[in-house]
Amino acid sequence: GAGVSQSPSNKVTEKGKDVELRCDPISGHTALYWYRQSLGQGLEFLIYFQGNSAPDKSGLPSDRFSAERTGGSVSTLTIQRTQQEDSAVYLCASSRTGGSGANVLTFGAGSRLTVL
Amino acid sequence: QKEVEQNSGPLSVPEGAIASLNCTYSDRGSQSFFWYRQYSGKSPELIMFIYSNGDKEDGRFTAQLNKASQYVSLLIRDSQPSDSATYLCAVKSGGSYIPTFGRGTSLIVHP
Repeated sequence: GAGVSQSPSNKVTEKGKDVELRCDPISGHTALYWYRQSLGQGLEFLIYFQGNSAPDKSGLPSDRFSAERTGGSVSTLTIQRTQQEDSAVYLCASSRTGGSGANVLTFGAGSRLTVL
Repeated sequence: QKEVEQNSGPLSVPEGAIASLNCTYSDRGSQSFFWYRQYSGKSPELIMFIYSNGDKEDGRFTAQLNKASQYVSLLIRDSQPSDSATYLCAVKSGGSYIPTFGRGTSLIVHP
């Protein structure tokens, strides 16, 4: 696609429920990132996918968080048993990994998660 | 722990002035440096990147990199009210594909 597409744009859920956030990266971008941005805070790295390699999960804050990427394209971030502190904007980004501008991230519009 | 530090601001400058935004980083192995702009309620978008020591200019924007002192700066000439946003510095080390972001500096350009 022309840009990074994320859905839903907004999600309100009750504490303890599971949520799924979806990201469709730019076609041809082999790298996909998930970041989290809490109100007034910087970007917190969550997970990184590169092609068919094992993902770098070093930023996931707890085992309630998981992510997968199917067919090297679309990614889903799942948060189980949501807590109020999970409320944030979840940003997905993709990039090329070679050539000029490699590792330049293009961000989606984000998914705003509110846990009541 | 790789750290990227930015003054949170806000930095307030009058229209037409030069805005200077600074960023320091802790990892001496850092090789790639990025400046992103984030308008309120929007996602970050790339302004420019720099890999080598010295200055890199793109229109009204100049990125300056000093690896020995471990800082990178962004100068915005002829600042406009539309430049009012949060500016995020991101740094990537040579052995990683994952950039580390600073918390950002809020810039306000007043008419």
